[in-house]
Amino acid sequence: EVQLVESGGGLVQPGGSLRLSCAASGFTFSSYEMNWVRQAPGKGLEWVSYISSSGSTIYYADSVKGRFTISRDNAKNSLYLQMNSLRAEDTAVYYCARARSVTYYFDYWGQGTLVTVSS
Amino acid sequence: SYVLTQPPSVSVAPGQTARITCGGNNIGSKSVHWYQQKPGQAPVLVVYDDSDRPSGIPERFSGSNSGNTATLTISRVEAGDEADYYCQVWDSSIHWVFGGGTKLTVL
Repeated sequence: EVQLVESGGGLVQPGGSLRLSCAASGFTFSSYEMNWVRQAPGKGLEWVSYISSSGSTIYYADSVKGRFTISRDNAKNSLYLQMNSLRAEDTAVYYCARARSVTYYFDYWGQGTLVTVSS
Repeated sequence: SYVLTQPPSVSVAPGQTARITCGGNNIGSKSVHWYQQKPGQAPVLVVYDDSDRPSGIPERFSGSNSGNTATLTISRVEAGDEADYYCQVWDSSIHWVFGGGTKLTVL
């Protein structure tokens, strides 16, 4: 069974940093492209970042470019999101999601971890 | 940028058919995917590549895509179908884009 389990969320002050993790199991993690998608309270889904299976290709949404860094450790079956210079508008539930290539849909999602940026 | 437009809400009686639209410029040339999200839960893929269903998704869920509009159709709607539904597309310049979401209410 495919499982994605996020951790690392919490309360952080504006300008602070946080590192999210996503532990994957039930599939060959190193063969799949992975993403972070977020959802602000009461709002819709917003794609945040993508990383290829090898980690060689990375994309970011304009809203987080230069502040967030996606990475992965295939030996540990883990995906990460380093978030720096956090703003109030980054407050959201952050989901890791597995992507299927060619048409790029998200076939499995984690349960999400809440990040709250507030003083 | 590329914008996907969904109606904020759709209401339907049990047993009837719900149609949720997703509008975008020449969206028919892209592959459209649909997700269902119930309160407090993660999204679940219900239709991919315009009209394919993942295993475990009832045949009541179907999709179509042509011109400037993609449509998710839910036949014989049940109370358990009440949720938010999001469309999504990808292309090499915009990467991933979601529609604003549609709240389906079962009357």
